[in-house]
Amino acid sequence: TQLLEQSPQFLSIQEGENLTVYCNSSSVFSSLQWYRQEPGEGPVLLVTVVTGGEVKKLKRLTFQFGDARKDSSLHITAAQPGDTGLYLCAGGSGGGSNYKLTFGKGTLLTVNP
Amino acid sequence: DARVTQTPRHKVTEMGQEVTMRCQPILGHNTVFWYRQTMMQGLELLAYFRNRAPLDDSGMPKDRFSAEMPDATLATLKIQPSEPRDSAVYFCASGSPRGGNYGYTFGSGTRLTVV
Repeated sequence: TQLLEQSPQFLSIQEGENLTVYCNSSSVFSSLQWYRQEPGEGPVLLVTVVTGGEVKKLKRLTFQFGDARKDSSLHITAAQPGDTGLYLCAGGSGGGSNYKLTFGKGTLLTVNP
Repeated sequence: DARVTQTPRHKVTEMGQEVTMRCQPILGHNTVFWYRQTMMQGLELLAYFRNRAPLDDSGMPKDRFSAEMPDATLATLKIQPSEPRDSAVYFCASGSPRGGNYGYTFGSGTRLTVV
């Protein structure tokens, strides 16, 4: 069974601070995705990374896929209250019709004004 | 924007009753997933379909859960009989695997409470 461990589980910071959350596994994934989930809604895809060492930026969010494709990080610069939510990482495995995602349990981020 | 639509949004039922949750995937997406989310377990994959054919339902308790896709616009997840431990948020997601790795679009979920 492939497992994704996310840390920290909870994070509460002040507006303007920087933060990094982590997603680690002992398994190799073909892709790594990050989602954000707000209360009462489903997760929304933020980014997909597929190459070891790949870095993608989305405004103040920076995503990195580990060289060995087993881990990933999400860094947020100058966090804002609108960044509050549950951040989920998901690893893709299998090919073709067998492709599916395994989700971590998430990091619950609260950004206080 | 294209959406995955789930109904109902909330459901409260008594133990032993049948529960049916419905999902309308995004038009053109050929893969549909059912997930269950709880605080303790996070998001668990229950079942998924490609081109309406069930590919994997190993995450689902077979004795009480069933998932079907009667046509390309409707997926259903049924629990009979329901139990209090089934209380969770159930999400449907759809996707289209062009070029390999792809993301899912999730619905807003059905919050199920079994009393």
